Amino acid sequence: GAGVSQSPRYKVAKRGQDVALRCDPISGHVSLFWYQQALGQGPEFLTYFQNEAQLDKSGLPSDRFFAERPEGSVSTLKIQRTQQEDSAVYLCASSLRGGPYEQFFGPGTRLTVL
Amino acid sequence: RKEVEQDPGPFNVPEGATVAFNCTYSNSASQSFFWYRQDCRKEPKLLMSVYSSGNEDGRFTAQLNRASQYISLLIRDSKLSDSATYLCVVNGPRRDDMRFGAGTRLTVKP
Repeated sequence: GAGVSQSPRYKVAKRGQDVALRCDPISGHVSLFWYQQALGQGPEFLTYFQNEAQLDKSGLPSDRFFAERPEGSVSTLKIQRTQQEDSAVYLCASSLRGGPYEQFFGPGTRLTVL
Repeated sequence: RKEVEQDPGPFNVPEGATVAFNCTYSNSASQSFFWYRQDCRKEPKLLMSVYSSGNEDGRFTAQLNRASQYISLLIRDSKLSDSATYLCVVNGPRRDDMRFGAGTRLTVKP
């Protein structure tokens, strides 16, 4: 595809429900990042993959958050037993290679936990 | 202390004004610096990278001060279309990781 795509674009979940957010990076991009953006704040780093390897997951707020990228392309961010404080926009970004290079962002998934 | 801190804003300026944003970072080992722009309810997009010697792209000038650990963005001759949130981005603690500031909101008024 032309850019990074994410699905669903909007998700409403009841507290305690599990959710799965999908990211399709730009084809051939090695690096993939997940961020959480609360209203009025900048993106907060969650986790980072280089190909299928999860190199850094230090930003995941709790063990309810889990991310994977099993074949080095599509990635899924899973949140178990959602809480109201998980409500945010979840952004995925990819870059061509490992290292501090330009990141291309998807449109995000807006998660609302009731 | 947050890893990347920006001017709180918001900045409300008239068209044609010059406006400057500062950003400080805590990781002295950081090597790469960027400014991203984020329009309301849109994803961030790269505005410009920041090089050690400073760099300019049209009306936009970015500066880096490693000794004081801050970067700046100067916008000259502001346009209505410059209204957005400007995000400071610094790599670290890992080379591959990128840390975003909270952003500074700019509104340019006619």
